[in-house]
Amino acid sequence: EAQVTQNPRYLITVTGKKLTVTCSQNMNHEYMSWYRQDPGLGLRQIYYSMNVEVTDKGDVPEGYKVSRKEKRNFPLILESPSPNQTSLYFCASSWGGSNSPLHFGNGTRLTVT
Amino acid sequence: DAKTTQPPSMDCAEGRAANLPCNHSTISGNEYVYWYRQIHSQGPQYIIHGLKNNETNEMASLIITEDRKSSTLILPHATLRDTAVYYCIVRGSSNTGKLIFGQGTTLQVKP
Repeated sequence: EAQVTQNPRYLITVTGKKLTVTCSQNMNHEYMSWYRQDPGLGLRQIYYSMNVEVTDKGDVPEGYKVSRKEKRNFPLILESPSPNQTSLYFCASSWGGSNSPLHFGNGTRLTVT
Repeated sequence: DAKTTQPPSMDCAEGRAANLPCNHSTISGNEYVYWYRQIHSQGPQYIIHGLKNNETNEMASLIITEDRKSSTLILPHATLRDTAVYYCIVRGSSNTGKLIFGQGTTLQVKP
C-alpha cells in the first residue's frame, strides 16, 4: 500500500533533549516536506526537499533540521526542543510539481515540557 | 497562490449528496484547485484536484466553473465517516511545493 509513514505517533519529551521524528515513503516520490499544525495557525511548512541531498527552508524552519540522504526518508530533527515546538507534525511527499498531489502521513503529536 | 473562501461549516444528511463550495476569484490560468480533508487530527487526505475540466474519482466529483473563479466538491452519498474539515486549496507552480491551508469547511454529516 502506498503510504507515508511517520514515527512515533506520540512523543513527550523535555526541553533540550534532542529528538528525531522519522518519515518514510514507499512511492519513490522525489519531493518531501514537513508541516506543523497549531490551533488557529493552520498548517505551516517547516522544510522541504526537492530531491536527495536537496533541502530548503519553509516558513517556520527555526529550531528544526532535516536531512535527505535517501529518496525514501526525510527525518525531522529537533536538536534542542523547546515548549513552543509542542505541535502536531505531518510529513508529506509527492512527485513534485503543481499537478502532483501531496500525500500526508498520519502525524506525530509532540509535547515538550 | 490565489486565496480561497469557504463557508466555515455545513451540515448534510447521511446518504444525501454534500456540495461544498469554494470561491477563488483571483486564480491564475496555471493554478490547480485541490481539495483535501482532515478527520480529527489525522493527516490531511487528498481527495481530488483539477485545472479547468470537471473531475471525478472514487471519492468525489469536482465541478469548476467556466471562468474558474469558483468550484464545488461533491460527495455523492455522504456517510458519517465523511464528517471532517474540508480544505479547498489553489496551488500554483511554487518552488516550495507547499500547500496553503485556509480555515476550511467543517462538514457535519448527520444521521
